[in-house]
Amino acid sequence: DQQVKQNSPSLSVQEGRISILNCDYTNSMFDYFLWYKKYPAEGPTFLISISSIKDKNEDGRFTVFLNKSAKHLSLHIVPSQPGDSAVYFCAASAGANSKLTFGKGITLSVRP
Amino acid sequence: GAVVSQHPSRVICKSGTSVKIECRSLDFQATTMFWYRQFPKQSLMLMATSNEGSKATYEQGVEKDKFLINHASLTLSTLTVTSAHPEDSSFYICSARSPGRYGGGTDTQYFGPGTRLTVL
Repeated sequence: DQQVKQNSPSLSVQEGRISILNCDYTNSMFDYFLWYKKYPAEGPTFLISISSIKDKNEDGRFTVFLNKSAKHLSLHIVPSQPGDSAVYFCAASAGANSKLTFGKGITLSVRP
Repeated sequence: GAVVSQHPSRVICKSGTSVKIECRSLDFQATTMFWYRQFPKQSLMLMATSNEGSKATYEQGVEKDKFLINHASLTLSTLTVTSAHPEDSSFYICSARSPGRYGGGTDTQYFGPGTRLTVL
């Protein structure tokens, strides 16, 4: 059973516009959420995270929103740049010192 | 962000040989490291949790005698694929947990660059 779901396999956005990447989860015990960016043949790079005590966290062009009642989070990238083109993984953990559960990823393409 | 290295980045070996992959946290101490495997166009699959000074915890379906994990120090974990076969060919990625940015003891995992294993 997929506890972290990224239902859209891909997203294409024009450079300069906003990219919105969505993620849903089913495990109500999850309390820490992370987004990772991954290029082919490389390890994932940590982007941004959010604790369940917050509903928004911002870091430069990246903002993560958390809607606990809907069990939904989203990553906003604005403005999008061609270098943002990669696979983005949503991940979640339940409690301190626990393992991460990953979604299947979404491929973002930013068109020049 | 924190830096995690992996060595080698790519290895090609003959069937039946053993391959060791090293994972190092370069700028922080990691009591816990994780080993993942990724198949093409799939998500990261957690294989095992490596704890410094104790035995690794393996996920269901992962053979502990096949994938030997040693976490000998706070900055080094190794994964040895024993008697490798072509079906073991994959992209292996490690991560190390460092203290997180937020309260409550939650931590963030930082990933190594991965190792591409090809078994002929």
